[in-house]
Amino acid sequence: EAGVAQSPRYKIIEKRQSVAFWCNPISGHATLYWYQQILGQGPKLLIQFQNNGVVDDSQLPKDRFSAERLKGVDSTLKIQPAKLEDSAVYLCASSQRLAPDYEQYFGPGTRLTVT
Amino acid sequence: DAKTTQPNSMESNEEEPVHLPCNHSTISGTDYIHWYRQLPSQGPEYVIHGLTSNVNNRMASLAIAEDRKSSTLILHRATLRDAAVYYCILRTTGNQFYFGTGTSLTVIP
Repeated sequence: EAGVAQSPRYKIIEKRQSVAFWCNPISGHATLYWYQQILGQGPKLLIQFQNNGVVDDSQLPKDRFSAERLKGVDSTLKIQPAKLEDSAVYLCASSQRLAPDYEQYFGPGTRLTVT
Repeated sequence: DAKTTQPNSMESNEEEPVHLPCNHSTISGTDYIHWYRQLPSQGPEYVIHGLTSNVNNRMASLAIAEDRKSSTLILHRATLRDAAVYYCILRTTGNQFYFGTGTSLTVIP
């Protein structure tokens, strides 16, 4: 079974530029998550999708971050404009169901450096 | 956020058992206890989860206190590949969860 795919793996941009990350979840997984992981910290949940609808985006800085999951499969996370403090690893995860007893499967992440 | 408390770091000798503790005094009756681990430069990896009873799988065992305010992840024989950051997480029926900073496990050969 193929795992969660993310691209690109690494990205370096200057502040005030825009950037987009792509995620392809495990086939058949209804739930998709985006996390931000700053160096030395645990992952912080940004947004949860159930199929193509947003379940929770309370931690997403909506003035600069946006995310979508068209057709309930792939998802993109965008930052516009980027700030220095956005330097982090962005992780995508998927789960079969939106239920607390289901595990999440994580992708390798995209390491973003904002200079 | 339903939060957990873990030691920042622990050490274990290779091939010995490791007990990783977690306190979750604010747990509610329907919160599941999940453990994930993260190897360097990788995304987190699911280890085990449970609700009330102790759980075993091929990777580890999870011992849950009777009052559910604490739990312990048990690695029966630590190997060098088990060196990672281990996160204890409460997952609620409202789908809220918080990773925290986890426990960094060092395995000594």
